[in-house]
Amino acid sequence: QKEVEQDPGPLSVPEGAIVSLNCTYSNSAFQYFMWYRQYSRKGPELLMYTYSSGNKEDGRFTAQVDKSSKYISLFIRDSQPSDSATYLCAMDSGSARQLTFGSGTQLTVLP
Amino acid sequence: GAVVSQHPSWVICKSGTSVKIECRSLDFQATTMFWYRQFPKQSLMLMATSNEGSKATYEQGVEKDKFLINHASLTLSTLTVTSAHPEDSSFYICSAREETYEQYFGPGTRLTVT
Repeated sequence: QKEVEQDPGPLSVPEGAIVSLNCTYSNSAFQYFMWYRQYSRKGPELLMYTYSSGNKEDGRFTAQVDKSSKYISLFIRDSQPSDSATYLCAMDSGSARQLTFGSGTQLTVLP
Repeated sequence: GAVVSQHPSWVICKSGTSVKIECRSLDFQATTMFWYRQFPKQSLMLMATSNEGSKATYEQGVEKDKFLINHASLTLSTLTVTSAHPEDSSFYICSAREETYEQYFGPGTRLTVT
């Protein structure tokens, strides 16, 4: 079993839809959670960073963490074609000081 | 957010030659830098972790004599692919972090070995 499981998609939605991206994890030591967006042939861009259970909102993006269920989500409201990219969840236990990534979800927002 | 640059963005080299890739943190001091490799439609594969002034820690299966990493300052790390072969062709990405846990990634370097 992988430490982090992420639905690879691909996921295709119409413009304006709400998108839900999810990851589950098995290592209860993970304390820090990140979502990255990666466009084709570019490096990942940090979108959201959180370290506590609950919701964190930044513009159209909301990151949700449920440590009791070992489940994290990223919601994108009013999705735009420019949101079309691969989204990676990533986690850190703190002691390892390196990230464990999900496999990535490829999202396409259709105009 | 913090900015990490990489140079070059794309390099083509002949088999048997060496290639150096630079990674710089532009507006913060990076206590730790990471080097990743990524194949098409796959996630990032960590190659090594480096701390300023000390030897890099390589992941299992990564040849340290082939992928030389130097982290000479708090803003610069270099990856040298020695005696490159076509199978080394890939997308190489660095990342950097301060004392907190966010990692900021560079734009990546596409290496093609002919």
